Amino acid sequence: DAGVIQSPRHEVTEMGQEVTLRCKPISGHDYLFWYRQTMMRGLELLIYFNNNVPIDDSGMPEDRFSAKMPNASFSTLKIQPSEPRDSAVYFCASSGGITFLGKNIQYFGAGTRLSVL
Amino acid sequence: DQQVKQNSPSLSVQEGRISILNCDYTNSMFDYFLWYKKYPAEGPTFLISISSIKDKNEDGRFTVFLNKSAKHLSLHIVPSQPGDSAVYFCAASNDMRFGAGTRLTVKP
Repeated sequence: DAGVIQSPRHEVTEMGQEVTLRCKPISGHDYLFWYRQTMMRGLELLIYFNNNVPIDDSGMPEDRFSAKMPNASFSTLKIQPSEPRDSAVYFCASSGGITFLGKNIQYFGAGTRLSVL
Repeated sequence: DQQVKQNSPSLSVQEGRISILNCDYTNSMFDYFLWYKKYPAEGPTFLISISSIKDKNEDGRFTVFLNKSAKHLSLHIVPSQPGDSAVYFCAASNDMRFGAGTRLTVKP
């Protein structure tokens, strides 16, 4: 398997523009996560899905952020309108869920570095 | 509220010495913990884990210790190597959130 695939790897946009980040999870995984990494906050959980259904979106910073998972092999994170403070690295991860002894290993994509000017 | 905390943002050690990275948690119901390692420009990758039924798990140079009464876990790397320089995150399996991470620098 190719692992979790994110696109684009880098995105530079201007303030006010719409940004869409994409993620293809590992086939067979039923959990998908979106994280944001910043210097100040480390790795923040934004939202996660189970079987394509959003379970916890309490980490989504504002209404400007939205995430969808139309099917088991694709998810998007959209920011509209974007602001300079949204500049960060955004990671997508997937997992096969809780297994024996509660083990739940997440597999991460390489991330999308977003710069909002 | 952050239920998994890493209070040391950075750690620097000499090659060959021991590196000890710490993590604290607040929820006594957490029963499985994982450590991830992250290199620049890459996503985090799973390193080692421990179940609450154990107090130690070892994998080569990496050992994780769990102190349930103190709600504390630590990752020991012995001997440390320059290639271990990375950011290390701890996480509880029950909670999808990570600690803030500790940047480890191993000097040759």
